[in-house]
Parts: sequence; C-alpha cells; structure tokens
Amino acid sequence: AQKVTQAQTEISVVEKEDVTLDCVYETRDTTYYLFWYKQPPSGELVFLIRRNSFDEQNEISGRYSWNFQKSTSSFNFTITASQVVDSAVYFCALSEAGIRNSGSRLTFGEGTQLTVNP
Amino acid sequence: NAGVTQTPKFQVLKTGQSMTLQCAQDMNHNSMYWYRQDPGMGLRLIYYSASEGTTDKGEVPNGYNVSRLNKREFSLRLESAAPSQTSVYFCASSAPTGGVNQPQHFGDGTRLSIL
Repeated sequence: AQKVTQAQTEISVVEKEDVTLDCVYETRDTTYYLFWYKQPPSGELVFLIRRNSFDEQNEISGRYSWNFQKSTSSFNFTITASQVVDSAVYFCALSEAGIRNSGSRLTFGEGTQLTVNP
Repeated sequence: NAGVTQTPKFQVLKTGQSMTLQCAQDMNHNSMYWYRQDPGMGLRLIYYSASEGTTDKGEVPNGYNVSRLNKREFSLRLESAAPSQTSVYFCASSAPTGGVNQPQHFGDGTRLSIL
C-alpha cells in the first residue's frame, strides 16, 4: 500500500525566512509520480509540481525548489525568502503509474499548514 | 476558463437525507475523481472513474455511490447521510496519461454538514 507522511503539521516563519516542508513516501512500485499541491485559505487546490520516479534532478521555479531523493524516499519542498502570500496548507501526494488512457489515484499526505508572518 | 465546477458549494443535511453532489469538467479529461478532506487527514479518495463508462472504489467508498453520466460529468450520491460524512468534498479530473501521469485539476469543493 502507498503512504505519504508529512510529519510537520504546522510551521510558522517570519517573512523572508527560508522554509522546507518535508515529505516521505512509501510505495512498492518502481514507477510512480510525486506531486505537491497548495491549498490557500480560499480552499482551492493548486498544482505546483510533478516528478516521476526516474527523474531525480532537483527543480527550481522562482522561489520554490524541490529535492527528490529516492534513497531516502523523500520529496522535500523549499520556499526561499517566504512571503505572506505563501501562507497555505501544502500537500504532498503520490500516484502509481497509470495504464495508458486511464487515470491514477492520488494518495495524499496529511498536509503542512505554513504560516508566514509579516 | 471554468475547469472543474462543483455544485453546490455549501449544503446542510439532516441525518438520513439523501443528496447528490454534481461535478462537471470542460477540459475534455478522461478521468474524474471524488475526494473528501477531513481535518488532519489530507484528502482521501472515495471513488474514481478512469474513463467514461467505468467507476472504481477508492480508499473510503462506504456510504457513497457515483455515476459517470458522460465524459464531462461525475456525480457523487449520499443515499442516507450520516454525521461522519460531514466533510469538504473535492472533485478532480485529469487528462489521459499517455504514459505519464497527468496532474489532477480540482474543483473548489463542496462543504457538506450533516446534523
């Protein structure tokens, strides 16, 4: 069975601090996909990034960066120079490889509530 | 620019009442999903439909039924609502994998309270 653990329930930082959100996953599949979603106070879920199990390159997008390490089954998310607008719940999620033209189910972590204070 | 549309946005039911949550997507996606979000538990998959004409159970299907009405619409029905079904319900859709799992696009959610 697949499992995603986000051990940090809540994190509070002051604006401009860097913050890392941890994600650890379990799966028996050799091919799988990892995702991060953001849920701002308005409640919608916003897709941030997808990573497949064969691509361990770290990725940077503006102030966001992701560190994928298969050896430790982790897919951590770092926000550099945090801003108040980054305040949200962040979810890490895992999916098995889907059959062609079929969907695939997401297993979510419990989420990390990030609060960035001015 | 609608994406995934859920109706209603809010609903209050009494125990034992029935209700259907509606979901429609205009992105020509093959796959659709229903999740529930409870405090401290992330999102859990209730049912999904990999393609039109198919539905499958997810992690927490008990007490729910679904209908994939056509490619655009995927409804979730509570036949006899229970207080334990108080939650925020999210519908999502995704494009065909084409060998790569596509991200799911989510609706804005339905807040359902059962008294």
